[in-house]
Amino acid sequence: GQQLNQSPQSMFIQEGEDVSMNCTSSSIFNTWLWYKQDPGEGPVLLIALYKAGELTSNGRLTAQFGITRKDSFLNISASIPSDVGIYFCAGNWNQFYFGTGTSLTVIP
Amino acid sequence: DVKVTQSSRYLVKRTGEKVFLECVQDMDHENMFWYRQDPGLGLRLIYFSYDVKMKEKGDIPEGYSVSREKKERFSLILESASTNQTSMYLCASSFSGGTSVYEQYFGPGTRLTVT
Repeated sequence: GQQLNQSPQSMFIQEGEDVSMNCTSSSIFNTWLWYKQDPGEGPVLLIALYKAGELTSNGRLTAQFGITRKDSFLNISASIPSDVGIYFCAGNWNQFYFGTGTSLTVIP
Repeated sequence: DVKVTQSSRYLVKRTGEKVFLECVQDMDHENMFWYRQDPGLGLRLIYFSYDVKMKEKGDIPEGYSVSREKKERFSLILESASTNQTSMYLCASSFSGGTSVYEQYFGPGTRLTVT
């Protein structure tokens, strides 16, 4: 199956900094999702996007559905230690495809 | 809150054993999915089900089978476990109507080690 290109693979940031990560695909999608996974746990849905150009927020998280429908972005503002984890994107066109994840470390 | 539970968090099995992984969801979701997650490979779909007794192959069904006898329960079966099936197994579920079909909710995962 297709894999999504997610970058960066890992990030080390200071507490309070903003974070940006993105996901790209060679195909268009009709839905983009962003998940967070803590170590040893299942992924938790953060944000779902359904329309090209859509910008959606969930607390300090903001995600956008790229206008080309081939990419999506996730931003985290004012990071805190509990933001640590792996963030990954998922796109849907008849089937779900997942990115390989961005590992975020927040240094207090 | 949507709740998806998996029968075991950790399992250790021997090569050749038959392995059952159980998943239960309490939100009356029509769709259920089984994935495996491996470092560098992301999530890969093994099987999914849109209704009771219905199943569809995903990207990597070889060596696996599934059973859905009740709406809330979806079982993954490794007929004869092999070491290359050592992985994290994740179950997910979703509604089948409207945009909610795209929102998959995951269980905590079962980390299976085959020795």
